[in-house]
Amino acid sequence: SQELEQSPQSLIVQEGKNLTINCTSSKTLYGLYWYKQKYGEGLIFLMMLQKGGEEKSHEKITAKLDEKKQQSSLHITASQPSHAGIYLCGAAWPGTASKLTFGTGTRLQVTL
Amino acid sequence: EPEVTQTPSHQVTQMGQEVILRCVPISNHLYFYWYRQILGQKVEFLVSFYNNEISEKSEIFDDQFSVERPDGSNFTLKIRSTKLEDSAMYFCASSGQGIDSPLHFGNGTRLTVT
Repeated sequence: SQELEQSPQSLIVQEGKNLTINCTSSKTLYGLYWYKQKYGEGLIFLMMLQKGGEEKSHEKITAKLDEKKQQSSLHITASQPSHAGIYLCGAAWPGTASKLTFGTGTRLQVTL
Repeated sequence: EPEVTQTPSHQVTQMGQEVILRCVPISNHLYFYWYRQILGQKVEFLVSFYNNEISEKSEIFDDQFSVERPDGSNFTLKIRSTKLEDSAMYFCASSGQGIDSPLHFGNGTRLTVT
């Protein structure tokens, strides 16, 4: 079966520190999507990666997809309290591109 | 910015009752989805819908579930006879054409079955 693993499950960082969240797929991805979820709310789209080696940035968040298209990382530089939430990676695999399969999520807390 | 809206935000129902969850997708989107998230668990795919028919569904989406696009704007999820284990947050999403058109999610309906 197709699996998507995220690590770490939770993360507590001090404001101003950098952090990285990882997402690993058991099979080559067709596309990889990063979302953020606040408690009790919907998922907010952050970035989408499709090409091997691709990197995208938005404000202080950078996402990368490895050359094999099986691993992605989300890096936050100089974290702020507004970055707190649950970060989810969502995978589209060849042959099932009409749906996303989500990882278990990484709960991020940013302390002052 | 256009958004996906879901109603109601909370629904409490008794076991065995039928519920209909409603969604208004983004107006120019073509693909529609339902996902659910049981408290503390993963966001799970239920069903995708395109061109007025189901394009893919998960094993969770059994005969108790159905989807409909009754008019040009609404997209509904019906659970015929709710069970306790159907208690979850249900998210509607929509997207445009192609892999680079991401899913946009609503804020969800929290369904509690008692």
